[in-house]
Amino acid sequence: EAGVAQSPRYKIIEKRQSVAFWCNPISGHATLYWYQQILGQGPKLLIQFQNNGVVDDSQLPKDRFSAERLKGVDSTLKIQPAKLEDSAVYLCASTISGQGNSEQYFGPGTRLTVT
Amino acid sequence: QKEVEQNSGPLSVPEGAIASLNCTYSDRGSQSFFWYRQYSGKSPELIMFIYSNGDKEDGRFTAQLNKASQYVSLLIRDSQPSDSATYLCAAPHALNFGKGTSLLVTP
Repeated sequence: EAGVAQSPRYKIIEKRQSVAFWCNPISGHATLYWYQQILGQGPKLLIQFQNNGVVDDSQLPKDRFSAERLKGVDSTLKIQPAKLEDSAVYLCASTISGQGNSEQYFGPGTRLTVT
Repeated sequence: QKEVEQNSGPLSVPEGAIASLNCTYSDRGSQSFFWYRQYSGKSPELIMFIYSNGDKEDGRFTAQLNKASQYVSLLIRDSQPSDSATYLCAAPHALNFGKGTSLLVTP
């Protein structure tokens, strides 16, 4: 079974530039999550999708971050414009369902450095 | 925001000892918890899931949940250097993660 795929693995940009990350979840997984993990901290949920609908985006900085999952499969997360404090690893995860006891499978992450 | 708190460590234990990792949570409605292990530069991987009061054992790992005290712990018996990692406690709702405890097992 293929795991959660993410690209790119690494990205370096200057502040005020824009960047996009891509995630392809495990086949058949209805729920997709984007997390931001700053060095030394636990993952922080940015947005949760159930199929192509948003379940929770309460912690997404909507003035600069956006995400979509148009066909209910893969997803993109965009930052525009980037700030220095956006430097972090962006993790994508998926589960079969959004039920509380569903195991999340994480992708390898995208390490973003904003200079 | 439903809070999950962990001591960031580092927790250092000698090889073969028992490592005890602890987590407290603020939401009394939380019914279950996950323990994830995260090696440096890698993504979190699930090691334990517990949903009922008491202990759950899986190999060298034992998770303990005390809903009355809002406390969940992870015990690692016969700790190995390969157990050195950050351990993340998470409540299910949107997987609200703690900051993680760094464990170092010294040979």
